[in-house]
Formats: sequence, structure tokens, C-alpha cells
Amino acid sequence: AQSVSQHNHHVILSEAASLELGCNYSYGGTVNLFWYVQYPGQHLQLLLKYFSGDPLVKGIKGFEAEFIKSKFSFNLRKPSVQWSDTAEYFCAVSPFYSSASKIIFGSGTRLSIRP
Amino acid sequence: GAGVSQSPSNKVTEKGKDVELRCDPISGHTALYWYRQSLGQGLEFLIYFQGNSAPDKSGLPSDRFSAERTGGSVSTLTIQRTQQEDSAVYLCASSWDSQETQYFGPGTRLLVL
Repeated sequence: AQSVSQHNHHVILSEAASLELGCNYSYGGTVNLFWYVQYPGQHLQLLLKYFSGDPLVKGIKGFEAEFIKSKFSFNLRKPSVQWSDTAEYFCAVSPFYSSASKIIFGSGTRLSIRP
Repeated sequence: GAGVSQSPSNKVTEKGKDVELRCDPISGHTALYWYRQSLGQGLEFLIYFQGNSAPDKSGLPSDRFSAERTGGSVSTLTIQRTQQEDSAVYLCASSWDSQETQYFGPGTRLLVL
């Protein structure tokens, strides 16, 4: 069965540090890839997505992610984090093997930023 | 425009009672998902509706859980004979189709005493 792995359960950083959150998936075919974010007390919302084209995707709030097909990875990065980036981050993958194939979420990474 | 709405926002019930949770997706969205998010846990997939296809129920944790989607729009998640371990936030999401961005509702926080 397809799966999505987020390696870090909880990441703690200081402001201005660089961030990289790992995401790997287990499907060899065409995929659509997503990162969602859930700020404290708010809805889950889309941070960025990759469907095709340039494997380096830029999203909101200075986040970017790189799709590396050979590594089945879609890691999330930000060069300099802010306290307001404290949130839970979820990677999601949609294996494109049928028009009805569902999106699969990773278990999430909690990011805490020390002011 | 209007986003995904869920009701009630909070529900407190006694163990053994049945509960119904409602989701109103964004108009025109053909795909609808239910998830459960327990404290400190990730998103647990429950059930997925796509258009007129048979729903994917592979995530439902037991036969006490069921869901329906009437007329391709509103969905109701029913939990029968609730247990304390059912306490969680139940999230609904909808999208234009199964491959597209999901839009999440605010969730229903269920507490089973």
C-alpha cells in the first residue's frame, strides 16, 4: 500500500534558523504532492503543491519544496524561520493511478520556533 | 466564497450514545474526505467520496462508524455507541476532484465522557 513518511515528529528551532522537513513516499508512478500547514487554532490549509513542471515549488510565506523523483522525496524548506511559523506541517501525496485515487497524508511534523 | 463548514463545532456526549457530524463541502466539489485528528496525532483517514463512485471506507476504524453523502453534496458521519477513544477532532475536506487541493473545514471536536 502507498504510504507517506515524515521523518521528524517534532522539530525545535530558533528564529532565523534554516528549516528542512523531510517527506518520502512509496509509489513509483506519477504523483501529485502537497504540503499543508495547521497553525495553532486554525484550519489545515495548503502551503504549496507540485503537479508537474519545475520540481522546485515555491509556496506562501517563503516556503519552498523540491520534488526529487529518484529519491521519492518532497522535502519542505525555508531559509530563515520566524516565530509565526510555529505550526504542524503535513506532507500529502496523491498517486495518480486512477481518477479516484485518494490523497494520503503523512503523520505530520510539529515545528516549534523559539523567539 | 463560502468554505467547508462543519457542525456542530463541539459535541459532548455520554459513552454509548450515537452522534451525527455534518459536513457541507464547497459547492461543486466532487470529492469529500473525512479524517480524525486525535491529540498529538496526525490525520487519520476515515472515508472518501468521489462523485457517484462507491465510497472508499477503508479507513473506518470499526462498524460503529458510517457515513453517507446525499445528492453528492452534504455528508454525515455517524458514530454509534460512542466510546471514550472516539474523542477527537473530526475534519472534513472537499476538493474539485480527487487529485486537487483539499479545502478543510474547522472540524468538530467530539468529547465522549
